[in-house]
Amino acid sequence: QVQLQESGPGLVKPSQTLSLTCTVSGGSISSGGYYWSWIRQHPGKGLEWIGYIYYSGSTYYNPSLKSRVTISVDTSKNQFSLKLSSVTAADTAVYYCAREGGSFDYWGQGTLVTVSS
Amino acid sequence: EIVLTQSPDFQSVTPKEKVTITCRASQSIGSSLHWYQQKPDQSPKLLIKYASQSISGVPSRFSGSGSGTDFTLTINSLEAEDAATYYCHQSSSFPLTFGGGTKVEIK
Repeated sequence: QVQLQESGPGLVKPSQTLSLTCTVSGGSISSGGYYWSWIRQHPGKGLEWIGYIYYSGSTYYNPSLKSRVTISVDTSKNQFSLKLSSVTAADTAVYYCAREGGSFDYWGQGTLVTVSS
Repeated sequence: EIVLTQSPDFQSVTPKEKVTITCRASQSIGSSLHWYQQKPDQSPKLLIKYASQSISGVPSRFSGSGSGTDFTLTINSLEAEDAATYYCHQSSSFPLTFGGGTKVEIK
């Protein structure tokens, strides 16, 4: 059973960089066949796809966030990470990592990141 | 960007009733449409993939249909545990997008 777990600071100051890591267990990122995604959900709102990465390092980002997003992968640790720069209060959200193979079949529990001074 | 429009936004339903949620895409996406259930304070759970393919472990009362631009999620004989928000998602083209959600309340 694949499991994903997000980790990182729950509070980030405006203009700083939000950094989160997703640790995958029960399956290897390096085995291929899936993309590893970040998705966010603003409080009380719907879901927004941020981007994803393949184990090879190929990335695809949502154009709405592309200028501020970097997703990277560390196959030796079976982890992938999200960096979102120049954050504002509008980036306050629950951030999920998920596995994508067409559909998002496994999700992390989500982590709330609040942007505030 | 493909916009997914769900209807209704909210539905209040009695147990054992049938629920139908629709998702309309702004352009044809074939069968690249997936449905998720999200309960309060939980992450979304995959219910149906590629419009109509069932997912192991998901109760058989959940079914999906459609192709092109019009899709439907049906919950036959609603149970109390089905109270949740339901989202559609398209994987046909970038950026990947979600519908706005349909909240189902149990009367």
